[in-house]
Amino acid sequence: RKEVEQDPGPFNVPEGATVAFNCTYSNSASQSFFWYRQDCRKEPKLLMSVYSSGNEDGRFTAQLNRASQYISLLIRDSKLSDSATYLCVVNTNAGKSTFGDGTTLTVKP
Amino acid sequence: NAGVTQTPKFQVLKTGQSMTLQCAQDMNHNSMYWYRQDPGMGLRLIYYSASEGTTDKGEVPNGYNVSRLNKREFSLRLESAAPSQTSVYFCASSPEGTYQPQHFGDGTRLSIL
Repeated sequence: RKEVEQDPGPFNVPEGATVAFNCTYSNSASQSFFWYRQDCRKEPKLLMSVYSSGNEDGRFTAQLNRASQYISLLIRDSKLSDSATYLCVVNTNAGKSTFGDGTTLTVKP
Repeated sequence: NAGVTQTPKFQVLKTGQSMTLQCAQDMNHNSMYWYRQDPGMGLRLIYYSASEGTTDKGEVPNGYNVSRLNKREFSLRLESAAPSQTSVYFCASSPEGTYQPQHFGDGTRLSIL
């Protein structure tokens, strides 16, 4: 079993839809969590950190469930420009980062 | 502010050739990383350097060597390139500490014939 698992998708949604991705992690010592966005054949870019209380940045909401060991990303009012692969990242207290393989989102007109 | 800079952007090698991929960051970060990403796959950690003067193996170190030249620079060397090393290579850096995200360079696209 991978340390960090994501549904690879693809998720195909129409513009304006709400879509949610989950990411599960196996190491209970995990301390910090992030969502990255990666466009085709480009570098991953930090989208947002995930805080214990949940956090929102515009149309994006991230949540953490430590008891069930998963994080989620909710995108509201999807735009064509949201089409990308979304990577979740989990850091342990030893400073190790583990990347999920990503979930691919395609937003269609 | 350049962030993480990788050179070259593209390279084609013949099997058996050697080359060094360069990475430099100007954010005064302590930790630096090298990843490879094959088509349709996730990132795989090759080597990392938690701080200047230290390097450690990641998930897929075979066929590679690294040098943390100073705090800014972390290079990746392929001693004898193989077609299986055809990939996109990303360098990343982060401040020290568990709660810090990594920042990536824009990658080196390497093809080995």
